[in-house]
Amino acid sequence: NAGVTQTPKFQVLKTGQSMTLQCAQDMNHNSMYWYRQDPGMGLRLIYYSASEGTTDKGEVPNGYNVSRLNKREFSLRLESAAPSQTSVYFCASGQGLDINYGYTFGSGTRLTVV
Amino acid sequence: EDKVVQSPLSLVVHEGDTVTLNCSYEVTNFRSLLWYKQEKKAPTFLFMLTSSGIEKKSGRLSSILDKKELFSILNITATQTGDSAVYLCAVRHSNYQLIWGAGTKLIIKP
Repeated sequence: NAGVTQTPKFQVLKTGQSMTLQCAQDMNHNSMYWYRQDPGMGLRLIYYSASEGTTDKGEVPNGYNVSRLNKREFSLRLESAAPSQTSVYFCASGQGLDINYGYTFGSGTRLTVV
Repeated sequence: EDKVVQSPLSLVVHEGDTVTLNCSYEVTNFRSLLWYKQEKKAPTFLFMLTSSGIEKKSGRLSSILDKKELFSILNITATQTGDSAVYLCAVRHSNYQLIWGAGTKLIIKP
């Protein structure tokens, strides 16, 4: 049982380049999330998908787009990378926050924009 | 503005010591508070608290919530080097969104 799988694990981009971070979960969860984690700032929600076919902005959506491809997959796209997007990105999934086990996180993508 | 504040930011103790980590919050429409442990990679879920005064326990870890004073504590007794991690606190204020604290970095020295 893989849980939440993120790819790639590491990436270096030049300013202005684009890329897509992939996320897949095999737990049949309805909701999926993309976070970024920066030193001293905790996790910040970029976008989320409450269920297949829906996506919504989180706290810091500017510069990003998402696609909920199906129930399993939720991708994050950077159209024109900027140095301010250097961060560690986490994908997470959950059945819903009323259940007593919270989210399951992927292992993260460390992105550097130069 | 909603916020979650954790203290201390970092803590160094010796193996066998007991530690208490704090999480205070100012969040509208509080639903629940969650604790996570983050080692090198992904955060892993520890506890979810929704009611005041009810302690949640898992081995040497325990946590309690005070909704009147707006805080939670995470206790770790008889600490081990494997407890070294960043401990994250998050508060749920809507169906799908959490507000996260910056974390407490805990280092356990042998």
